[in-house]
Parts: sequence; structure tokens; C-alpha cells
Amino acid sequence: GEDVEQSLFLSVREGDSSVINCTYTDSSSTYLYWYKQEPGAGLQLLTYIFSNMDMKQDQRLTVLLNKKDKHLSLRIADTQTGDSAIYFCAESSRILTGGGNKLTFGTGTQLKVEL
Amino acid sequence: DTAVSQTPKYLVTQMGNDKSIKCEQNLGHDTMYWYKQDSKKFLKIMFSYNNKELIINETVPNRFSPKSPDKAHLNLHINSLELGDSAVYFCASSQALRGYEQYFGPGTRLTVT
Repeated sequence: GEDVEQSLFLSVREGDSSVINCTYTDSSSTYLYWYKQEPGAGLQLLTYIFSNMDMKQDQRLTVLLNKKDKHLSLRIADTQTGDSAIYFCAESSRILTGGGNKLTFGTGTQLKVEL
Repeated sequence: DTAVSQTPKYLVTQMGNDKSIKCEQNLGHDTMYWYKQDSKKFLKIMFSYNNKELIINETVPNRFSPKSPDKAHLNLHINSLELGDSAVYFCASSQALRGYEQYFGPGTRLTVT
């Protein structure tokens, strides 16, 4: 079955870059995602990448995908205190009948940004 | 202009009770989901509905019954609540042709005492 792993914690200083890593096992993964969860809030879709891409950039966010190693990373440039949250990696491979995707989430990485 | 909303936000109840959580989306999406997040923040899909039809049912006890009265609503009814049901339940939705973009509600924190 699908399995998605992340390290549990990451601490960085404000202004530095953060790199959050994720590994997955399902070689048929079609889409890979990064979600952000702030304390007491729901999940916010930050970005996603198709499996036929190596990189995607969106403002301060850069996603790198190494499909051979099944490794996904999220780089946040110029990390701010407002970036402190839990970041979830997710993958989907099943295209459901009628549409929609089944997401398998990683364990989440707690990012702490220190002054 | 909330996209995906859930009620209630917090729910505290005793073991053995029956409770419901409601979800509504105003995005015009036709697929809706329920996810469970446990105390360790682990998220797992429970159900998915497309056009009011159940398309995913992940090894969830039959005490949990989703109901979709229309495309914009997916409610979760839980019978005979157990301590292990304590979690945060998230509703999400997506458009069929863009199923890779799922939008989540704010969550309902259920505490069973």
C-alpha cells in the first residue's frame, strides 16, 4: 500500500530557507502535494506537482521531485514567523470513478521559525 | 464567502451517544470527502462521495454513516460513540476534472468522554 514519510520537526531562523522533505513508496503516484496546517485550523493547499515534472516554483515556494528516489521536497525561501505550522506531504494515485482523488498523507513536519 | 464549512467546530459528548457533523461547500464541486486526524496529527481518508454517490469507504466502522442530501452537502453521522472516535474530522471537496485540488474545511474537534 501507499506510505508517505516525513521528519517530525524542523527549526529554522527567520530569514533563512526551510527545506521539508518527504518520501513515498507508491511508484504510481500521479500527483504530489504540500498542505499547510496552522494551529487549530484546517488544511490549506499550498502547491502540487504532477509526477512528470521535476520542479515547480511559486513565489517563495519551490517543490522538487525526484521520481527515481520517490523523494519530494518543499523549500520555503526567506522563512517568516507566519510560516510556522505543520506541513503535510500527500500523494494520490487513484483516479476515482467520476473524478476526485484519494489522498494519502504523510505524518506532517512541524516547522518552527525562531527570531 | 466561506468555501468549505463545517458545523459544529467543537463537539463534546459522552460514550454511547449518537452525533452528526455537517459539511457544506459553496464551490460548485461535485466530490466531497471526510478525513479523520488523530491525536498524533495523522490524517486518513474515511469516505468520498461524487454526485451523492459513495465512491470510497475506507475500513471505517459501520457506526459511521455519511449522508449526502445533495452535491453541496456531506454529513457524517456517528452512532454509539467510543473514546477512540475522539479526533478532528475534516471535510473536503474537489471538482471532478480537477480532483487533485482538494479544499478542506476548518475541522470539527470531537471529544468523547
